[in-house]
Amino acid sequence: NAGVTQTPKFRVLKTGQSMTLLCAQDMNHEYMYWYRQDPGMGLRLIHYSVGEGTTAKGEVPDGYNVSRLKKQNFLLGLESAAPSQTSVYFCASSRGLNSYNEQFFGPGTRLTVL
Amino acid sequence: AQSVTQPDIHITVSEGASLELRCNYSYGATPYLFWYVQSPGQGLQLLLKYFSGDTLVQGIKGFEAEFKRSQSSFNLRKPSVHWSDAAEYFCAVGDMNSGYSTLTFGKGTMLLVSP
Repeated sequence: NAGVTQTPKFRVLKTGQSMTLLCAQDMNHEYMYWYRQDPGMGLRLIHYSVGEGTTAKGEVPDGYNVSRLKKQNFLLGLESAAPSQTSVYFCASSRGLNSYNEQFFGPGTRLTVL
Repeated sequence: AQSVTQPDIHITVSEGASLELRCNYSYGATPYLFWYVQSPGQGLQLLLKYFSGDTLVQGIKGFEAEFKRSQSSFNLRKPSVHWSDAAEYFCAVGDMNSGYSTLTFGKGTMLLVSP
C-alpha cells in the first residue's frame, strides 16, 4: 500500500496563477483533509470531506476550493494564487466515523507563490 | 471555541535524559486527545491517543502520555531520549464543532537532542 500520496511535491507559482494539488489514498478511507503548515502556526485545516461527493470548510478555507469526486482522491485548487498561500500543504485521510480514528498524512507539497 | 496550547516552542534535551512535552487543552467534555510527531521533511505520524479509560496511555517508540482532567493537560513523556527523537511534536484534540470529524492542532514543540 502506498498510503497517502500527494502530487506534486514542489511547485512555484506566480501571483494570479492557478493550480490543483492532488491527494490520493489507497486505504479505502472515508474522511480526507487538506491542511496548511506555516512556521509557528502548526497545522490549520483548510477543507475536509467525510465522504465521496461531500466537502466542508475548515479553519482557513478562503482562496481554496476542493472536490471529492472519487472516494480515493481529494483535490485542492487555488484559483488565483497569492503570496500568502506560500506554505507546505498536507493531505490526510482517516477511516472516519469520528476523529478518534487515526489520520494518516501524506509527505506534503511545498508551494511558493512569487 | 476549543483550543490546544503547547507552551514550549523549542526544547533541548540531552541524549539519554528524560523528556516531557506539555499540552493543555480547553474543552468542556471528555476530549479525544492525540500526539503526532513530524520528522524533518515528512508528514505527521501518530504516536498515541486517548479517548477514555486508563489515563496513562502507551504509544509507539517508547512514548507515553497522561491525561489529567483537573489540569486540562495531556503531557507527553519518554524516560530516555534518543537522537532519532529529534523532531516536531504536535498535540491535537478532536473538534466537537465538526461532530468530531476533524482535529484542532497545537502549534507544535520542536525537540532538539544534544549529544
